[in-house]
Amino acid sequence: EAQVTQNPRYLITVTGKKLTVTCSQNMNHEYMSWYRQDPGLGLRQIYYSMNVEVTDKGDVPEGYKVSRKEKRNFPLILESPSPNQTSLYFCASSLWGREETQYFGPGTRLLVL
Amino acid sequence: QQQVKQSPQSLIVQKGGISIINCAYENTAFDYFPWYQQFPGKGPALLIAIRPDVSEKKEGRFTISFNKSAKQFSLHIMDSQPGDSATYFCAGYNTNAGKSTFGDGTTLTVKP
Repeated sequence: EAQVTQNPRYLITVTGKKLTVTCSQNMNHEYMSWYRQDPGLGLRQIYYSMNVEVTDKGDVPEGYKVSRKEKRNFPLILESPSPNQTSLYFCASSLWGREETQYFGPGTRLLVL
Repeated sequence: QQQVKQSPQSLIVQKGGISIINCAYENTAFDYFPWYQQFPGKGPALLIAIRPDVSEKKEGRFTISFNKSAKQFSLHIMDSQPGDSATYFCAGYNTNAGKSTFGDGTTLTVKP
């Protein structure tokens, strides 16, 4: 079954404690992206990757890091989380140039105290 | 700067009616315009999409109308059903750059 998985699905943490949200896809997709969803603001792109070792900033990259060492994985790293990073996070993937193949993960709800 | 403006914020339609959601964009580099459907507790799912070389695309009860000169596009849901009740997002993609911008979403409620 084609899918994008995210872990954890729910996370409560404290300010400053480094965390990683994993994203993995089983469709051999080149393109992967992270979004955050906040009430009334839609989805905002954090970082994206067009292929292994190729990443770039989206519209709201501050406070986040990513890496793309393998094609299937695209972890999102919060090195020093702050309360304003409390949000619902989605990972998505697609074939490069074939946006109609896009899948979203189920989301990770993060609360930073 | 809001690059994709979506309206209305919420919409209530009777079963069998037509639901219409509108989006306007500013970035002329956008070359792909999808609509997503999101149910509570789920990730967005691609519903239908259009590229700017066509003015309309229809898939079943869902139609996108696209006006390149006005930089506007809309989603029409014909014969709306209670199962269509969800949040809908439009987006604009600059596919060469890998960047995407979403509208703020529309909560659709279809009353039986």
